[in-house]
Amino acid sequence: EAGVAQSPRYKIIEKRQSVAFWCNPISGHATLYWYQQILGQGPKLLIQFQNNGVVDDSQLPKDRFSAERLKGVDSTLKIQPAKLEDSAVYLCASSPTRGGGAANSPLHFGNGTRLTVT
Amino acid sequence: SQQGEEDPQALSIQEGENATMNCSYKTSINNLQWYRQNSGRGLVHLILIRSNEREKHSGRLRVTLDTSKKSSSLLITASRAADTASYFCATALVSGSARQLTFGSGTQLTVLP
Repeated sequence: EAGVAQSPRYKIIEKRQSVAFWCNPISGHATLYWYQQILGQGPKLLIQFQNNGVVDDSQLPKDRFSAERLKGVDSTLKIQPAKLEDSAVYLCASSPTRGGGAANSPLHFGNGTRLTVT
Repeated sequence: SQQGEEDPQALSIQEGENATMNCSYKTSINNLQWYRQNSGRGLVHLILIRSNEREKHSGRLRVTLDTSKKSSSLLITASRAADTASYFCATALVSGSARQLTFGSGTQLTVLP
């Protein structure tokens, strides 16, 4: 099966500019996650979708970050305006829905988008 | 805040040796998962162990879980240079209607040829 696709692979912007990332999950996977991974740290969950509905966005900085998953398939994550501390790798992951909830299934990750804010 | 914390932060061994990484967590979990991340790539799932399981094997990997001590270990036997990567534990919690998977800060494993 095809894996999780993310684009772009790299992005360099200046602070206060805006940027968008795109993710295409594995076909049939109902749950989609966006994680932020700062260099030297583990991934931190930003937002979790179940089909096209948000089930957890408690750690999403909503004053500058937004995400959508139209039609329950592809997703975009946007930052506007970007700050220096947003420099990180943004990882998209998906998982199938099983009985008991999405976290009972392994996550399948894309290769991420490395964002550098100067 | 990170739920799971790996120990050690970095580990360097010779090819053929065994590598052991530990993960401690703070609250009750539904399951614990281990992932590998090669430099510049996404995370790859290795193994999932449920809270009612004590040990699981997959190829050269052995994972143990001690819920009384809130800890898990990942053992890689007969390591290879290709095992060089960062290894993360992730704990699956139940919080309201969301099923959260929270990652630790990782162990950087270097296997020297």
